[in-house]
Amino acid sequence: GAVVSQHPSWVICKSGTSVKIECRSLDFQATTMFWYRQFPKQSLMLMATSNEGSKATYEQGVEKDKFLINHASLTLSTLTVTSAHPEDSSFYICSAAGTAKSTYTEAFFGQGTRLTVV
Amino acid sequence: ILNVEQSPQSLHVQEGDSTNFTCSFPSSNFYALHWYRWETAKSPEALFVMTLNGDEKKKGRISATLNTKEGYSYLYIKGSQPEDSATYLCAPGRNKLVFGAGTILRVKS
Repeated sequence: GAVVSQHPSWVICKSGTSVKIECRSLDFQATTMFWYRQFPKQSLMLMATSNEGSKATYEQGVEKDKFLINHASLTLSTLTVTSAHPEDSSFYICSAAGTAKSTYTEAFFGQGTRLTVV
Repeated sequence: ILNVEQSPQSLHVQEGDSTNFTCSFPSSNFYALHWYRWETAKSPEALFVMTLNGDEKKKGRISATLNTKEGYSYLYIKGSQPEDSATYLCAPGRNKLVFGAGTILRVKS
């Protein structure tokens, strides 16, 4: 399958600071990327869908000003958690779907980022 | 909001046992059903993408069936091995996926 790289794999930041998480498709062009969040002992919850060159579409209840998503190229999407607070501590993971090596019905995941806000 | 349910929540089996899990999803507006295996500290790995009612797919000792009319899919593992230990996730959808909570499988040697 295609390779998606997510960075960093873990980060600790101080309350009030912003954190940027990168998601890169290494061997295919990702026309669409998805950002998920996982709360403890719960499933992956879709936060937003980003399409290259356009604004992200956020799921209900997700603050777009809090979680800034940029998909500036076909291989890179970033999620910035702005003014992070302890309640933003979570596991964030991206997936990417494209038309090159992936089939149109398959999405490939990054490794995830464990964010801890202290 | 799609309601995707997986059962059991967790499963502990002995090496060599066969096991199966269930994924239930809304049968209306069905597009595809995805199964992923997620090992600790790794990326979720796609196992199957199933689209046709009655479809059955196989990958080594793992197989899956799909019933789109009643909205369920079964995942089977034959002769479980310790390396099968993982969380198994299902998700209906195209590539925008709504995940179930997963079934945690632990295989003891």
